[in-house]
Amino acid sequence: NAGVTQTPKFRVLKTGQSMTLLCAQDMNHEYMYWYRQDPGMGLRLIHYSVGEGTTAKGEVPDGYNVSRLKKQNFLLGLESAAPSQTSVYFCASDGGMNTEAFFGQGTRLTVV
Amino acid sequence: GQNIDQPTEMTATEGAIVQINCTYQTSGFNGLFWYQQHAGEAPTFLSYNVLDGLEEKGRFSSFLSRSKGYSYLLLKELQMKDSASYLCAAPLKEGYQKVTFGTGTKLQVIP
Repeated sequence: NAGVTQTPKFRVLKTGQSMTLLCAQDMNHEYMYWYRQDPGMGLRLIHYSVGEGTTAKGEVPDGYNVSRLKKQNFLLGLESAAPSQTSVYFCASDGGMNTEAFFGQGTRLTVV
Repeated sequence: GQNIDQPTEMTATEGAIVQINCTYQTSGFNGLFWYQQHAGEAPTFLSYNVLDGLEEKGRFSSFLSRSKGYSYLLLKELQMKDSASYLCAAPLKEGYQKVTFGTGTKLQVIP
């Protein structure tokens, strides 16, 4: 049982480049999330989805877009990367209220 | 998270007991989670409290007081592998999906 899988694990981008982070879960969870984690800031919610075909903004959505075309996948896109987006990105999923979230192993992104 | 407060760092001795506190402010309470995160790894679930009181799970226990907006994680018989960050998290706004995480408490266990 793989749980939540994120790709890639590491990436270096130049300012202005674009990329997509892929998250896949095999637990049939309805809810999926993208967080970023920065020193001293904790985990901050970027976007989330409550089911296939739905997306919603979290706490820090600017500069990111997401899509949930299939229930098991949640994609995070950066259209024009900026140094301020240097961070560790975590994807998570859960089965609904009062249930634990399962996290992917993270993507360490550096924008130079 | 601006509505969840935890100490930034703590140090404790192997074999001892340590209590990590978390205070929160919410307009709609739907339970409180604790996660453990080792350096360079993903957070993993430890506990969930929705009612007042103490929930015990092996060496780890979690306490909640909804009237005081307060929770703590109690770690007994500390082991070196317990050195990690401990994240308090709760949905603080209307609607379950907006879970807010505290900045985490980095615990160092020393021999």
